[in-house]
Amino acid sequence: DTEVTQTPKHLVMGMTNKKSLKCEQHMGHRAMYWYKQKAKKPPELMFVYSYEKLSINESVPSRFSPECPNSSLLNLHLHALQPEDSALYLCASSTGLADYEQYFGPGTRLTVT
Amino acid sequence: QKEVEQNSGPLSVPEGAIASLNCTYSDRVSQSFFWYRQYSGKSPELIMSIYSNGDKEDGRFTAQLNKASQYVSLLIRDSQPSDSATYLCAVKGGGFKTIFGAGTRLFVKA
Repeated sequence: DTEVTQTPKHLVMGMTNKKSLKCEQHMGHRAMYWYKQKAKKPPELMFVYSYEKLSINESVPSRFSPECPNSSLLNLHLHALQPEDSALYLCASSTGLADYEQYFGPGTRLTVT
Repeated sequence: QKEVEQNSGPLSVPEGAIASLNCTYSDRVSQSFFWYRQYSGKSPELIMSIYSNGDKEDGRFTAQLNKASQYVSLLIRDSQPSDSATYLCAVKGGGFKTIFGAGTRLFVKA
C-alpha cells in the first residue's frame, strides 16, 4: 500500500480565517513533506519532518505552521493567508530522508479569497 | 544554485511511437533520480527511480542515467494517449532536499 491521504480535497478560505490541512500515511514512513505547487510550476518544498521532528523549513512565512503529532500524521495550519497563497498543497512521505522515493497524496486545492 | 533542467515542450508523438524525455542537473554529488508523471489537476505519481549509471526498465518505461554527463532520461515505448501528461524529473543531491525540474508536457496523438 503506497497511499497517502489528504483532507480536505478543496478548501476556500478568507484572509482572516484559520484552517488546517491534514495528511496521513500508514506505510511506516518516517519522513513526511509539505509542498506547494502553483499552476504549470514544479512542486516547491515547504517543510520536511523526519521522525516527527522538523528537519527542513524552506523559509516559509509564519502564516503556515506545520505540525507532526505522530509518525503517521502531518498537519499544516493556515492563518491570515494571502490570495497569492492559493495553490495545490501536496503532502508526501518516504521511508527516510536519504535516497528514498517520495509518494505524494492527492493534494488539497486551496483558494484564498 | 542547484538546478534541474527539462525542455518544457510540448513534446508531441504519435500513438505507438517512442517518447524520449530528457533532464540535466547541475549538482555533481546527486545520487538519486526520479521520474514522476502528473496529469492536469492531479498530484505527481512516481514512475521510476534510478540510482546507478545505465538503464533501468519497467514495462514500457526505461530510465537512463549518465552521471558523468549529468544527464537522465525517460523513454516511453509504445506511447498511448493515456501517457499524455507532464513528466517531472526530480533529483536528490547531497542534502535531503529533492529538486524538481519544471516538467515536460507530453502529448500522444491517437
